Amino acid sequence: KQEVTQIPAALSVPEGENLVLNCSFTDSAIYNLQWFRQDPGKGLTSLLLIQSSQREQTSGRLNASLDKSSGRSTLYIAASQPGDSATYLCAVVGGNQFYFGTGTSLTVIP
Amino acid sequence: NAGVTQTPKFQVLKTGQSMTLQCAQDMNHNSMYWYRQDPGMGLRLIYYSASEGTTDKGEVPNGYNVSRLNKREFSLRLESAAPSQTSVYFCASSVVANTEAFFGQGTRLTVV
Repeated sequence: KQEVTQIPAALSVPEGENLVLNCSFTDSAIYNLQWFRQDPGKGLTSLLLIQSSQREQTSGRLNASLDKSSGRSTLYIAASQPGDSATYLCAVVGGNQFYFGTGTSLTVIP
Repeated sequence: NAGVTQTPKFQVLKTGQSMTLQCAQDMNHNSMYWYRQDPGMGLRLIYYSASEGTTDKGEVPNGYNVSRLNKREFSLRLESAAPSQTSVYFCASSVVANTEAFFGQGTRLTVV
């Protein structure tokens, strides 16, 4: 069974700092990896999808990388803002389902 | 631009009661999913429907049933609610299996 781990569980940074969120998975036979954002009491918002054949994907201040062989993905957030405060979830896609980590709760301090 | 719509948003049930959670998507997606989210456990798959007319069990299907009513709608039924089913339930859809998923806003269910 695919196991997905996100470290750290919580992160607090001052506004303007660049930061990296980590996601690791145990089975490298994946289709895609998807990063989500979840605000308190809300649903999941898709941020980036990296296909298994890709190394990275960028959207605005966000850059996600994927290294299947080592079972790792990172989400890089540049020039963090207070509005980036949320929980970030990664999901490994395969076998007709998404396997989620428990997320990293990010707080950006003004 | 509705995307994935879930109803209701909140529900309180007594142990043993039944209810159906509704989910509809307007993106012409083939695949739909039901997840539950619990603190410290992440999201876990209850059931999924790879395409209209098919449903399959996920990681935690016990106590639940599903119906893929048509391409747009995928409902989740609790026949006899238990306190262990207190959770936040999310419906999601994707064009086909293993592609980008889009989630609804969730249903917060409390069983007392």
